[in-house]
Amino acid sequence: AQKITQTQPGMFVQEKEAVTLDCTYDTSDQSYGLFWYKQPSSGEMIFLIYQGSYDEQNATEGRYSLNFQKARKSANLVISASQLGDSAMYFCAMREGQRGNQFYFGTGTSLTVIP
Amino acid sequence: GAGVSQTPSNKVTEKGKYVELRCDPISGHTALYWYRQSLGQGPEFLIYFQGTGAADDSGLPNDRFFAVRPEGSVSTLKIQRTERGDSAVYLCASSLVGPDTEAFFGQGTRLTVV
Repeated sequence: AQKITQTQPGMFVQEKEAVTLDCTYDTSDQSYGLFWYKQPSSGEMIFLIYQGSYDEQNATEGRYSLNFQKARKSANLVISASQLGDSAMYFCAMREGQRGNQFYFGTGTSLTVIP
Repeated sequence: GAGVSQTPSNKVTEKGKYVELRCDPISGHTALYWYRQSLGQGPEFLIYFQGTGAADDSGLPNDRFFAVRPEGSVSTLKIQRTERGDSAVYLCASSLVGPDTEAFFGQGTRLTVV
């Protein structure tokens, strides 16, 4: 089974609007972390936001927030007030366990912001 | 520099040749990861080091791939008898230990096997 599933290969959003990128995960561990990364066309992987499995509040970082629904095993990224510079690939990732292990990545969502 | 450094940034090699890809992680990061990313795909896990030892090498596709980290800092990914299917961007990342610490990625090495 896939550890991370991103079902939206491509998404479009109007500039200044909000957009939600979907991510579901699969793990039997009680302790895990969920991460979102942005990869512009330049290829670098940029960390955006983190959510721990024991965190009761949804994580927020500026215009990014993570809609964490533990029972549904979903960790959707919400980008508010989209900007042209948000156009990129977005990857959801998970790391399991207390000691830290590999990061499992999804297949990504390509976001295009339309002026 | 303060970030993860990968060299070379681009490598073109002939089928059957041996290549080495180098990763210099952020100082103090004991965890180091190698990933491979093909066009339009997510990063595919290859190997994870905790210090000098490979804590998880389950992602290495076959015995042509090998990685070392002899002093717990710089790591080298070695590919023998390269094949055209090995062409991809090889990403290295490092992190502190702990499930809540993000990985910092290098710019990657684009390997092209002709």
